[in-house]
Amino acid sequence: GAVVSQHPSRVICKSGTSVKIECRSLDFQATTMFWYRQFPKQSLMLMATSNEGSKATYEQGVEKDKFLINHASLTLSTLTVTSAHPEDSSFYICSARDRRTSVHEQYFGPGTRLTVT
Amino acid sequence: RKEVEQDPGPFNVPEGATVAFNCTYSNSASQSFFWYRQDCRKEPKLLMSVYSSGNEDGRFTAQLNRASQYISLLIRDSKLSDSATYLCVVNGGVGRGSYIPTFGRGTSLIVHP
Repeated sequence: GAVVSQHPSRVICKSGTSVKIECRSLDFQATTMFWYRQFPKQSLMLMATSNEGSKATYEQGVEKDKFLINHASLTLSTLTVTSAHPEDSSFYICSARDRRTSVHEQYFGPGTRLTVT
Repeated sequence: RKEVEQDPGPFNVPEGATVAFNCTYSNSASQSFFWYRQDCRKEPKLLMSVYSSGNEDGRFTAQLNRASQYISLLIRDSKLSDSATYLCVVNGGVGRGSYIPTFGRGTSLIVHP
């Protein structure tokens, strides 16, 4: 149980284009999903917290107009990187919390490796 | 002081060794604690939650010391497959909601033959 999928797993795009990444909880409902970014040899950095049916809460320094988050259902959240630039190249990972559990564990998707040329 | 601190290592140990990692956190009001494992270029995977009473899962033992604000992970009888980065996660950092996670930078473990 507690499987989270992410799509695509890898994407290469040209500078200035937008990229959408999907995060799905496959066998549970997730009221809360998190989006992270990880640069090589660095720690996971939380970008935003996404709650179903409400606006995402962004961490300090993360541009909400550049990283659009939509959490339209209890099993799906999307992150759109708008007007991507080479410095946005990174490993983007989502995680989800199972609404049934009282302990706040997170289950991670396999990640999306974004390369902007 | 960082919210969640870990010794980055690497810890280089032979197979069969016992190794321990510590993680300190700054917010005394933090609610829940976890250890995750991350392999190179992969997503983190939950290793175990950390409870006040301590918990054990096979070769892995986790402890929480609220008074000193640290959690620990002990790995006994290390296997080659234990080689990974171990991430400490604390929910409820400074100025955050009680369920917002903060990750440590991770401790790298290398188990050699």
